Amino acid sequence: NAGVMQNPRHLVRRRGQEARLRCSPMKGHSHVYWYRQLPEEGLKFMVYLQKENIIDESGMPKERFSAEFPKEGPSILRIQQVVRGDSAAYFCASSVGGETHEQYFGPGTRLTVT
Amino acid sequence: GNSVTQMEGPVTLSEEAFLTINCTYTATGYPSLFWYVQYPGEGLQLLLKATKADDKGSNKGFEATYRKETTSFHLEKGSVQVSDSAVYFCALRKAAGNKLTFGGGTRVLVKP
Repeated sequence: NAGVMQNPRHLVRRRGQEARLRCSPMKGHSHVYWYRQLPEEGLKFMVYLQKENIIDESGMPKERFSAEFPKEGPSILRIQQVVRGDSAAYFCASSVGGETHEQYFGPGTRLTVT
Repeated sequence: GNSVTQMEGPVTLSEEAFLTINCTYTATGYPSLFWYVQYPGEGLQLLLKATKADDKGSNKGFEATYRKETTSFHLEKGSVQVSDSAVYFCALRKAAGNKLTFGGGTRVLVKP
């Protein structure tokens, strides 16, 4: 059973470009979470999605960031007009259900904005 | 709001030494507490957890006890191995909640 897949593992973007990060949850998991780890900091919650629904986006920056989890295909975290401060590791986690169910993490995407 | 504070690293130890990583939290109610481990180049893996006061989580020789009176969840291992070299994250999830709140992580380096 494959784990949570994220791609790309490393992404380099110039300031002003768009970044698209993909997350394929574990088989049978319909809940996806995105976390961001800034340099020298812990992981910070960004958004929680179920298929076709955003459940909690309280950790998402108000502008330039969006997330989706369509009925088919991976979850996408999209960052428009990237700035240097967006450079971070972005981790996706998935679970079979909400609340008490364990979250399984992917290896992360390291975004570098030059 | 909820927060987790853990000791800063790096922590450098010799093989077979005793490891303690301190973790304290601030939260309302009765959160669940977790330790995650991140090996180089990999995602986070759940190491152990405790869901109520005085619970002890244990796995792979690691232990942590949920202490509500001191709002702590310190991680311990009696005899570390080189393969324990990793970054360790303490985290909490509030009751009836989904998102995890993480501490800053502690890098542990075990030398032979």
